Amino acid sequence: DTAVSQTPKYLVTQMGNDKSIKCEQNLGHDTMYWYKQDSKKFLKIMFSYNNKELIINETVPNRFSPKSPDKAHLNLHINSLELGDSAVYFCASSKGAANTEAFFGQGTRLTVV
Amino acid sequence: AQSVTQLDSQVPVFEEAPVELRCNYSSSVSVYLFWYVQYPNQGLQLLLKYLSGSTLVESINGFEAEFNKSQTSFHLRKPSVHISDTAEYFCAVSLPGGYQKVTFGTGTKLQVIP
Repeated sequence: DTAVSQTPKYLVTQMGNDKSIKCEQNLGHDTMYWYKQDSKKFLKIMFSYNNKELIINETVPNRFSPKSPDKAHLNLHINSLELGDSAVYFCASSKGAANTEAFFGQGTRLTVV
Repeated sequence: AQSVTQLDSQVPVFEEAPVELRCNYSSSVSVYLFWYVQYPNQGLQLLLKYLSGSTLVESINGFEAEFNKSQTSFHLRKPSVHISDTAEYFCAVSLPGGYQKVTFGTGTKLQVIP
């Protein structure tokens, strides 16, 4: 009965590889997000989708490409991974705008070696 | 652009003692304010929020925060903490209206000491 679920929970990969993180929500929300949390716990939004349309795209390298096949899913694909990409990536969803309440997944800890 | 500052990176406090976690915001217009809590190895959960109306907002687990426009603050308080309150607490701000991004502070680690 998990509301926002991400897979995998842990991901260790070498520099230069391409990897994907999947996110699904069963709350019936129409807006989904990807956040990056660095080693100092600083949390920053990367992307936001509403009804499969991109509505927020922060200054993120083109190597990061979100894909939303439907309202319940928002996947994140990362090309040519770099050491600096190591972080915890959180998926979140909200009914409408995030400035009411966002529900977060448990996070994916990505380690690039 | 709006921003929040959490000056305390860590706050140790003994069990059953009161605690205050500080948050100051910066904005030239009206804002929404939030406190989120992150327990170890989990995602963030909304603790409480101020959108408008009463400046004192409360959560179901005994936390409260007061919106103070003159001091641009939204400090989080609890009169008596429990071990289970040990977590990272994030203050956040956004503009009112639809689809505004939420900007988070750098977090305050609350460490409750038995």
